[in-house]
Amino acid sequence: GENVEQHPSTLSVQEGDSAVIKCTYSDSASNYFPWYKQELGKRPQLIIDIRSNVGEKKDQRIAVTLNKTAKHFSLHITETQPEDSAVYFCAATDATGDMRFGAGTRLTVKP
Amino acid sequence: EAQVTQNPRYLITVTGKKLTVTCSQNMNHEYMSWYRQDPGLGLRQIYYSMNVEVTDKGDVPEGYKVSRKEKRNFPLILESPSPNQTSLYFCASRGWGFGGELFFGEGSRLTVL
Repeated sequence: GENVEQHPSTLSVQEGDSAVIKCTYSDSASNYFPWYKQELGKRPQLIIDIRSNVGEKKDQRIAVTLNKTAKHFSLHITETQPEDSAVYFCAATDATGDMRFGAGTRLTVKP
Repeated sequence: EAQVTQNPRYLITVTGKKLTVTCSQNMNHEYMSWYRQDPGLGLRQIYYSMNVEVTDKGDVPEGYKVSRKEKRNFPLILESPSPNQTSLYFCASRGWGFGGELFFGEGSRLTVL
């Protein structure tokens, strides 16, 4: 099955700075890459996703980039705010349709 | 309202006492899966199901069973729970195809003494 690696495991930034989280995947046939945000005590929720036929997608302060050749994708958060503090998970959907997650990144935005 | 419902939300039990965590979705989704979440270990997949009567092992299936007799339900069964199964469990579902948002239930926090 698909194997997703995520880095870093923890990230601390100053409010207003940018944050970047990177993931790699193993199955070259994977074609859907979502990012989930999990606030403390809550369920993970989708914040942005990208399909394999697209190289970049933006939604306000959040963007995701995909490099299919290198099999990696990244989440970029600009102008970070304290409410961005959470655990972020990347995921990849493999050729069978199964979705696997990275180990997560705990982002802390310091005011 | 579209949702994934898990029960119970919280449970304290003892070693060896069989328990079932129910999961139900009202979105007619084909794909359903179970994850456990432990500190520092992310979301580890236990079992998943592509459709009715089709289930497959995830990364950590030992000690768990599942069934998919109906499209909407995907119960997680712990036949003989042990303390190392103390964890936060999430059920999730999504529509068919190679993409599409995965909807999570609210989670079930299980403690095995």
